[in-house]
Amino acid sequence: KAGVTQTPRYLIKTRGQQVTLSCSPISGHRSVSWYQQTPGQGLQFLFEYFSETQRNKGNFPGRFSGRQFSNSRSEMNVSTLELGDSALYLCASSPGVSAGAETQYFGPGTRLLVL
Amino acid sequence: DQQVKQNSPSLSVQEGRISILNCDYTNSMFDYFLWYKKYPAEGPTFLISISSIKDKNEDGRFTVFLNKSAKHLSLHIVPSQPGDSAVYFCAVTGTYKYIFGTGTRLKVLA
Repeated sequence: KAGVTQTPRYLIKTRGQQVTLSCSPISGHRSVSWYQQTPGQGLQFLFEYFSETQRNKGNFPGRFSGRQFSNSRSEMNVSTLELGDSALYLCASSPGVSAGAETQYFGPGTRLLVL
Repeated sequence: DQQVKQNSPSLSVQEGRISILNCDYTNSMFDYFLWYKKYPAEGPTFLISISSIKDKNEDGRFTVFLNKSAKHLSLHIVPSQPGDSAVYFCAVTGTYKYIFGTGTRLKVLA
């Protein structure tokens, strides 16, 4: 089975711009979660989608949004970029049907640099 | 409010010795506990997990211990190898939301 894929791998933007990141989950997985990783902060949960619906949400401002398509692929959008948005953005997938008993599998991440 | 804490940001161990990584959590409602390993410029890779009904799970050189009364999780790596040098994250979940610790950077010295 192919793993989780994320595109693009690297991105450079300037403040005020917006960006869209893409994630394709493992075939058969219907849950996709997004995380932000910055130095010293671990993985901060952004949101989780299942069957095209946002099922869980972290504590990020409304500039961060996402969506999921019928084929379970997901996109994450950040509007009005700030310098502090520079981070590694990770996507993870899981089957999404056994709460509290599933393993998430991660993609390689998208490294975003905001100048 | 950090619900999952990895209090040691870094750890150095000699090759062949045991590495012990620790993780503390605050919410007794969590059901499932995981460890991930992360190399630079890559996504985290799943290592090993344990459910709340167990207190130990082994997979080769990796063993995870769960002490529910103390809300404490640990990962033992025996014997440690230079290729184990990476950042290790613990994660907990009780739903479809996973909460990660801040990570411990393990360095195995040859």
